Amino acid sequence: KAGVTQTPRYLIKTRGQQVTLSCSPISGHRSVSWYQQTPGQGLQFLFEYFSETQRNKGNFPGRFSGRQFSNSRSEMNVSTLELGDSALYLCASSLGGGATYEQYFGPGTRLTVT
Amino acid sequence: AQTVTQSQPEMSVQEAETVTLSCTYDTSESDYYLFWYKQPPSRQMILVIRQEAYKQQNATENRFSVNFQKAAKSFSLKISDSQLGDAAMYFCAYRITGNQFYFGTGTSLTVIP
Repeated sequence: KAGVTQTPRYLIKTRGQQVTLSCSPISGHRSVSWYQQTPGQGLQFLFEYFSETQRNKGNFPGRFSGRQFSNSRSEMNVSTLELGDSALYLCASSLGGGATYEQYFGPGTRLTVT
Repeated sequence: AQTVTQSQPEMSVQEAETVTLSCTYDTSESDYYLFWYKQPPSRQMILVIRQEAYKQQNATENRFSVNFQKAAKSFSLKISDSQLGDAAMYFCAYRITGNQFYFGTGTSLTVIP
C-alpha cells in the first residue's frame, strides 16, 4: 500500500503570496490532519478532517485554511504569507478519527517564505 | 489547557547502552492516550509506542518501553540496547478521543558508535 504523499515537497514563496499544499492519504484512510513543524516549537496542530468535515482546529489565524475531498485527499491553503510561516508542513492520515487509530505521516512540504 | 513538555532538547547515548527520554504533560482528563513518535533525519515520522491512560501496565515494543506515571503525569521512553538507527528526533504526544494531538518540542537523540 502506498504511504501518505505530499506535494510539492519544497516550495519557495514571497511574503504576501498564497500557497496551496496537497496531501493524499493512505488508501482507505478517512482522517487527515495537518501540522506545522518548526525548530523549537515542535509540531503545532493545524486542523483535522474526517469524511470531508473539519473535526478539530488548532490555534492558527484565519489565513490558514483547509479542506478535504470526497476521495479523502486534503489541501491546506495559506494566504498572505508571512516570514514566520516558513516551516515543514506535515500531513498525517488514519483510518478513523479516534485516538486509538495510528497516524501515518507524510514526508512533509518544506515551505520557505522570503 | 493540554500541554506536553520535553525538557531535554538533546540527548546522547553510546551504542548498546540504555537511554531514557523524559516527557511530562498537563491535563484534567482521566481518559487519554500518550504516544512517542520518532522522526529520523530527512525521513518520515513513525509511531514508536502508544499507551492508554486507563491501562496500568507500561507499554513495551521490543527495545522500547515506557514508564507511565499517571499521578505524576509523566511518560518517559526507555530505549534499550541503543542502535545507530535509533538516532532521530523523538516527540512525545498526547490525545483524548475526539480532540487534537498535542506534541512536545522534541528530543534529538544522538547514538555514539
